[in-house]
Amino acid sequence: GNSVTQMEGPVTLSEEAFLTINCTYTATGYPSLFWYVQYPGEGLQLLLKATKADDKGSNKGFEATYRKETTSFHLEKGSVQVSDSAVYFCALSDLSGNTPLVFGKGTRLSVIA
Amino acid sequence: DSGVTQTPKHLITATGQRVTLRCSPRSGDLSVYWYQQSLDQGLQFLIQYYNGEERAKGNILERFSAQQFPDLHSELNLSSLELGDSALYFCASSVSGSSGETQYFGPGTRLLVL
Repeated sequence: GNSVTQMEGPVTLSEEAFLTINCTYTATGYPSLFWYVQYPGEGLQLLLKATKADDKGSNKGFEATYRKETTSFHLEKGSVQVSDSAVYFCALSDLSGNTPLVFGKGTRLSVIA
Repeated sequence: DSGVTQTPKHLITATGQRVTLRCSPRSGDLSVYWYQQSLDQGLQFLIQYYNGEERAKGNILERFSAQQFPDLHSELNLSSLELGDSALYFCASSVSGSSGETQYFGPGTRLLVL
């Protein structure tokens, strides 16, 4: 079945550091890929998405590129801020008609000043 | 603010009881999803409705049921509650439930079963 694997957290970075959160997936065909973010005490917000191979999603300085050859969708940001502290979830939605999201376990990011 | 509303925000109840969680999707969205977030299981899909009809079912227990009403709001009913049902329950909505469509999440209902 479909699955998403994310790097284990927590990840602690200093402000302005470079961020990478790894995400790989297993799916039939070519799914749509998403990154969601959950700030403390809140629901999930879409951060970015990509619906086909080689697409790059970007938002708020975050980027992720859909790599079919490595089945990956790694999240990157060049310079993190304290306000980026949150839990990040990688997710997929396949093309077979099953549209519910399959989530990774989440990666907690803490950014310290 | 995603435009998806969920009530109540918090719910504390006892084992064996029954509760109902309510979700109103974004205006214009026809598809509603329910997810459960727990520490041990992570985020798991429970069930999806599209325009009043059940479209997909995930890891939903038989003690749980849901429905989507003509005005498109949805309710998730949890019965014979157990301690392990304590979790955050999220509702999400999307326009048509198609693959690749963004799902917009509500703030969640935190359920505590004592």
